[in-house]
Amino acid sequence: AQTVTQSQPEMSVQEAETVTLSCTYDTSESDYYLFWYKQPPSRQMILVIRQEAYKQQNATENRFSVNFQKAAKSFSLKISDSQLGDAAMYFCAYRGPTTSGTYKYIFGTGTRLKVLA
Amino acid sequence: DAMVIQNPRYQVTQFGKPVTLSCSQTLNHNVMYWYQQKSSQAPKLLFHYYDKDFNNEADTPDNFQSRRPNTSFCFLDIRSPGLGDAAMYLCATSRVVTDTQYFGPGTRLTVL
Repeated sequence: AQTVTQSQPEMSVQEAETVTLSCTYDTSESDYYLFWYKQPPSRQMILVIRQEAYKQQNATENRFSVNFQKAAKSFSLKISDSQLGDAAMYFCAYRGPTTSGTYKYIFGTGTRLKVLA
Repeated sequence: DAMVIQNPRYQVTQFGKPVTLSCSQTLNHNVMYWYQQKSSQAPKLLFHYYDKDFNNEADTPDNFQSRRPNTSFCFLDIRSPGLGDAAMYLCATSRVVTDTQYFGPGTRLTVL
């Protein structure tokens, strides 16, 4: 069965510094998608970045980038030049096919990021 | 702006009293999802619709049902809410199942 693990329940970073959030996953599939979502307090979840498993190049969106290691099944998120508005819960998510022909969407338990002024 | 709207934002119901949560979208997406998110936990997918095709997760209790009368609207019905059903319920949409999901603000359900 597919699983997504975020081993860091909480992280802190100083404003303007860089922080990396970890995510590992387990799947026997070769074609899948990985996502990082951000959920600010009392606000809706939004997509931060997305990675297709068939692409070797790491996805980048402005200050956000990922380190996708397919063989190691690792998908970490790097936030550069951290800003106060980056404070939120970050969820790693996996989306891929199942053996029954349907699709599975699995979220990790989240990492709460605090940004210190 | 195109968006995913959930009503109400806060819902209080009594133990065993049926409740319906609503989701609407202006994105014209084919897929609509319902998630349950309990405090400090990961969102858990309950089911999703691809157009009119209903896809139930294997471990979703029978107490949870869903309806999608048209492309824009999707409803979550909880037939007999228990105390353990108190949670945030998130609706999301995507163009196709492989695409990014867009989330609504959620409905926080309290069961008394």
